[in-house]
Amino acid sequence: ELKVEQNPLFLSMQEGKNYTIYCNYSTTSDRLYWYRQDPGKSLESLFVLLSNGAVKQEGRLMASLDTKARLSTLHITAAVHDLSATYFCAVDSPSNSGGSNYKLTFGKGTLLTVNP
Amino acid sequence: NAGVMQNPRHLVRRRGQEARLRCSPVKGHSHVYWYRQLPEEGLKFMVYLQKENIIDESGMPKERFSAEFPKEGPSILRIQQVVRGDSAAYFCASSLGLFRSYNEQFFGPGTRLTVL
Repeated sequence: ELKVEQNPLFLSMQEGKNYTIYCNYSTTSDRLYWYRQDPGKSLESLFVLLSNGAVKQEGRLMASLDTKARLSTLHITAAVHDLSATYFCAVDSPSNSGGSNYKLTFGKGTLLTVNP
Repeated sequence: NAGVMQNPRHLVRRRGQEARLRCSPVKGHSHVYWYRQLPEEGLKFMVYLQKENIIDESGMPKERFSAEFPKEGPSILRIQQVVRGDSAAYFCASSLGLFRSYNEQFFGPGTRLTVL
């Protein structure tokens, strides 16, 4: 069974600081997704990482994937209050029927609070 | 372009009643997924459907839960004889379902079910 672990689960930061969220997963996969969720809202897709060494950046967020280490990171640069949200990583895993599409296995999420 | 639509957004039921949750995928998407999110948890896969077919229901409880995606109309997640433990947010996602490509899923706003 595929397991996805995120850490930390809770992160309180000062504005302007840098930090990294880690996502480890237990079986081979080369497709990893990062989502953002605001309280009471749905999930917003942030990054899709499709290969070993993939790096993507959007604004103050940068995501990377190391498939050999089964590790993805989400790096936050110079945090601002608007980044406060819960961040989830999710990994593709083949469906039990072996069909051509995949279910996502999510980590528990990292609740990020950026303080002024 | 309309995204994934879910209704109702909030649903309150008493123990023993039935809950019906509806999901209309992104136009052109023929693959639908249902996930459940318990408080302070990540999303857990429940079921994956294509039009008129259940492809993978490995995450569905064996009793009281059923899902369908008819040829016409929205996908329905049905919970019979609800219990308090069913209280959660239920998210629907859809995708194009490209074979051997990444499977970016687009999430709806969710239905928050409260069982009294």
